[in-house]
Amino acid sequence: KQEVTQIPAALSVPEGENLVLNCSFTDSAIYNLQWFRQDPGKGLTSLLLIQSSQREQTSGRLNASLDKSSGRSTLYIAASQPGDSATYLCAVSRGGASSGNTPLVFGKGTRLSVIA
Amino acid sequence: GAGVSQSPSNKVTEKGKDVELRCDPISGHTALYWYRQSLGQGLEFLIYFQGNSAPDKSGLPSDRFSAERTGGSVSTLTIQRTQQEDSAVYLCASSLNRVNGYTFGSGTRLTVV
Repeated sequence: KQEVTQIPAALSVPEGENLVLNCSFTDSAIYNLQWFRQDPGKGLTSLLLIQSSQREQTSGRLNASLDKSSGRSTLYIAASQPGDSATYLCAVSRGGASSGNTPLVFGKGTRLSVIA
Repeated sequence: GAGVSQSPSNKVTEKGKDVELRCDPISGHTALYWYRQSLGQGLEFLIYFQGNSAPDKSGLPSDRFSAERTGGSVSTLTIQRTQQEDSAVYLCASSLNRVNGYTFGSGTRLTVV
């Protein structure tokens, strides 16, 4: 059974600092990995999607890496801002050759606070 | 529609009552998922629909929970005889295929009193 773990559970940093959020998964047979952001009382917003054949994806100040063989992904946030404060969730999609849909397995998230 | 729409956004119900939660996926998305997020917990998969195939109900916690998807579009999650432990945020997502990832709605916050 796939299990996804996110460390740390909570993180507080001063504005401007670069930071790394960690995600690990027990079964390396994944199709892809997706990072989401969740603001309090809101739904999930997709940040980055990494296919299993890729090593990293970048969007603005965000960079996500994937090491499938070791079951790890990191989300790097550069020059953090108070508006980055949210819970960040990592999720993996089960492996297989088909691009057909399967449910995601989520970690419990990292709650980030960026202090002005 | 432009995104995944869920209604109602908030629902307060009395213990023992039935509730229906609605999800309207992105037009053309063949897959639709329901997840539950309880306080302090991660997202828990409940059920998913893929086209005309039989739904994968493996995540439903009890037979009080059921869902249907009419015409391959709108889905309704029904919880019968609600219990306090059913209080959670219920999130719906849709996708075209795994390559393009998943899009989530804003959720329905259910409170059972």
